[in-house]
Amino acid sequence: AQSVTQLGSHVSVSEGALVLLRCNYSSSVPPYLFWYVQYPNQGLQLLLKYTSAATLVKGINGFEAEFKKSETSFHLTKPSAHMSDAAEYFCAVSDRNTGFQKLVFGTGTRLLVSP
Amino acid sequence: DAGVIQSPRHEVTEMGQEVTLRCKPISGHDYLFWYRQTMMRGLELLIYFNNNVPIDDSGMPEDRFSAKMPNASFSTLKIQPSEPRDSAVYFCASSPLVSGVDTEAFFGQGTRLTVV
Repeated sequence: AQSVTQLGSHVSVSEGALVLLRCNYSSSVPPYLFWYVQYPNQGLQLLLKYTSAATLVKGINGFEAEFKKSETSFHLTKPSAHMSDAAEYFCAVSDRNTGFQKLVFGTGTRLLVSP
Repeated sequence: DAGVIQSPRHEVTEMGQEVTLRCKPISGHDYLFWYRQTMMRGLELLIYFNNNVPIDDSGMPEDRFSAKMPNASFSTLKIQPSEPRDSAVYFCASSPLVSGVDTEAFFGQGTRLTVV
């Protein structure tokens, strides 16, 4: 069964600093990978997704992620953090066997941005 | 479109009572999902429907949980009887029937359930 592991339940950065949120996946077949963001008291919003096209995926709000098969990773980055990026971020995986709609989420990483 | 609409936003109930959570998916979406979010277990898929038919309910924790989708614009998740360990945020999401590379699940704002 597929799964994702997010390293670090909390990540703190200063405004303007690089954001790096880590995600490693486990899947027996080529996966689809997703990053979602959750703002306080809100539902989840899709940031970006990898579906076996380009390995570097660009998303909304300046975020991007790179699929690295050799490292089974899909880390999320943003060159310069903004205060409005403070939220919880979830990595998720699905695969062609179970259907792309059936997402398995990681435990989430809370991003804290200080002035 | 107003997005996925869930009601109520907050529910506090006593142990043993029946709880019904409601969801209106985005019009035209063929898939509907119910997720549960807790501190201990994170986000778990409980059940999902395709064209109002339950496809996979393997995530439903116990027989106390049931979900229905009587038509394309409405779904319910019922817990009977409720227990304190059911306290969580329950999300509904919907997605259209498109090819895999174009799919996206749209989430509602969730229902925060507290069972005391």
